Amino acid sequence: ETGVTQSPTHLIKTRGQQVTLRCSSQSGHNTVSWYQQALGQGPQFIFQYYREEENGRGNFPPRFSGLQFPNYSSELNVNALELDDSALYLCASGGGGMYQETQYFGPGTRLLVL
Amino acid sequence: TQLLEQSPQFLSIQEGENLTVYCNSSSVFSSLQWYRQEPGEGPVLLVTVVTGGEVKKLKRLTFQFGDARKDSSLHITAAQPGDTGLYLCAGIRGTYKYIFGTGTRLKVLA
Repeated sequence: ETGVTQSPTHLIKTRGQQVTLRCSSQSGHNTVSWYQQALGQGPQFIFQYYREEENGRGNFPPRFSGLQFPNYSSELNVNALELDDSALYLCASGGGGMYQETQYFGPGTRLLVL
Repeated sequence: TQLLEQSPQFLSIQEGENLTVYCNSSSVFSSLQWYRQEPGEGPVLLVTVVTGGEVKKLKRLTFQFGDARKDSSLHITAAQPGDTGLYLCAGIRGTYKYIFGTGTRLKVLA
């Protein structure tokens, strides 16, 4: 039990639609990161937010965007969905360890794009 | 581009056997982490190694960070069915960028 929750657990969308995924971090965690995990692969870093500002981004197009709120919740928005966006989307909140490297993952949202 | 390659990809062993999982890269990382992920859950952090050559032990699990901080290994002694899962290494660059490996799916048979 990491204290990080995500909703919904599963989602089915069609190509071209938009989707919003939500994450609730542990209280006091100022950092939240989002990852995409395709079937059979390791997670790929999408972006990270620190105190409501994006402070790092992986190789994902601008149609992947995010928000972080003062109440330790965050969102991942994906526009113009493509079939390849089908994956498990994970959020991870940062515990603020010495190297700012302790992160706690939620259970993920499994997105299927048809 | 996958910067961290794990081997083997799949491993099925009998309870009580030993195994080693490797995580290799041509890039240097400031630190490296190992996670275990079970179906329907997010990855759970097992260990963070920071110093080149560092060895950490967590019960039956031994983690080693390469001298050059480009590779790592995870050794499990006397594997148990509860060790079954997807093992992921993650290299860390800077303060925020995590690069995950390709994963090793372990199944321990009773």
